[in-house]
Amino acid sequence: KQEVTQIPAALSVPEGENLVLNCSFTDSAIYNLQWFRQDPGKGLTSLLLIQSSQREQTSGRLNASLDKSSGRSTLYIAASQPGDSATYLCAVTIYTGKLIFGQGTTLQVKP
Amino acid sequence: DAGVIQSPRHEVTEMGQEVTLRCKPISGHDYLFWYRQTMMRGLELLIYFNNNVPIDDSGMPEDRFSAKMPNASFSTLKIQPSEPRDSAVYFCASSLGNEAFFGQGTRLTVV
Repeated sequence: KQEVTQIPAALSVPEGENLVLNCSFTDSAIYNLQWFRQDPGKGLTSLLLIQSSQREQTSGRLNASLDKSSGRSTLYIAASQPGDSATYLCAVTIYTGKLIFGQGTTLQVKP
Repeated sequence: DAGVIQSPRHEVTEMGQEVTLRCKPISGHDYLFWYRQTMMRGLELLIYFNNNVPIDDSGMPEDRFSAKMPNASFSTLKIQPSEPRDSAVYFCASSLGNEAFFGQGTRLTVV
């Protein structure tokens, strides 16, 4: 059974710091991995999608990596800003199409 | 496309009443997911469909919950009878088996 874990559950950093959010999954047989952002009281917004054959994806200050063999993904946020404060969730799609989420990391960037 | 559309955005109902949540997926998407989100349990997958057929409903908490997808552009999640512990935000998402997109959610309060 595929399980997705995100550590830490919460993170507080000063503005300008570079930071890494971690995601691990138990079964390497995934179709893709997706990172989402959720603001309080809002829906989930897709940030980055990494196909199983890819190693990383970049969008602006965000970079996501994928290591299928070790069951790990990281989301790197460069030069963090207060507007980056949100909950970040990773999810894997397995080959049946099922989308399985981690519990999320709540990030606070202090001015 | 307007994205995944859910209605209503907010629903307050009395215990014992029937509640129906609605979702319109992105046109052309062949996967549709229903999730429930609470502070205690995070984001839980309730059921998902592929080409209007339910693939996995193992996350549906009990028989009071049912979901249908009569056509490719509409799905419902019904709770009958509703209970206070069903209070949560219910999200619908759709995909082509690749990048998933979420609706804004329905906040359900059962009093």
